[in-house]
Amino acid sequence: AQKITQTQPGMFVQEKEAVTLDCTYDTSDPSYGLFWYKQPSSGEMIFLIYQGSYDQQNATEGRYSLNFQKARKSANLVISASQLGDSAMYFCAMRATRRGGTSYGKLTFGQGTILTVHP
Amino acid sequence: GAGVSQTPSNKVTEKGKYVELRCDPISGHTALYWYRQSLGQGPEFLIYFQGTGAADDSGLPNDRFFAVRPEGSVSTLKIQRTERGDSAVYLCASSLTGATNEKLFFGSGTQLSVL
Repeated sequence: AQKITQTQPGMFVQEKEAVTLDCTYDTSDPSYGLFWYKQPSSGEMIFLIYQGSYDQQNATEGRYSLNFQKARKSANLVISASQLGDSAMYFCAMRATRRGGTSYGKLTFGQGTILTVHP
Repeated sequence: GAGVSQTPSNKVTEKGKYVELRCDPISGHTALYWYRQSLGQGPEFLIYFQGTGAADDSGLPNDRFFAVRPEGSVSTLKIQRTERGDSAVYLCASSLTGATNEKLFFGSGTQLSVL
């Protein structure tokens, strides 16, 4: 079974500053992928970034980067130069691959962190 | 269509009634997922389809919940004898094949309210 833990219910950041949202995970599967999604108050789920468990480098997508520490089983999201439009709920999620090589399919989500960006 | 479409966007029903929620995934996506999200919580997995078959239905809370995808595209989530605790946003998502590294594309959800 896979489990995602996001320990920060809420975070505040000043506009133009950087912020880190924490995510730890637990799985016994040898291969897995980690995702971050953003959910604004409108409710849509927006994909931000993906990190594969065997990727050698940390993923980056524009202002988003993923601080992946495999030994610690953590996959923190770093948002640089925060903008007012970044205010939203952020979810960490994972999907694993069975030892036979097939994906479990389902994506397991954490409880989320509400980010508020102050002007 | 360009994205995942869910209908209706809102559904209000009375306790004990039957409801159907529809999801139209992105064309060509073989993998389809249903999630349930309560206010302030993360999406909770319900069921995952690969083509026409349910590859994983371990998240369905009880036998009042059932989902189908008869032709491998549109899916319907069916809830019998609704209870007030079923009130939530029901999200549908799709992805191309269901591979581990694929992102899911989500619909806007159906807000179900059971009175």
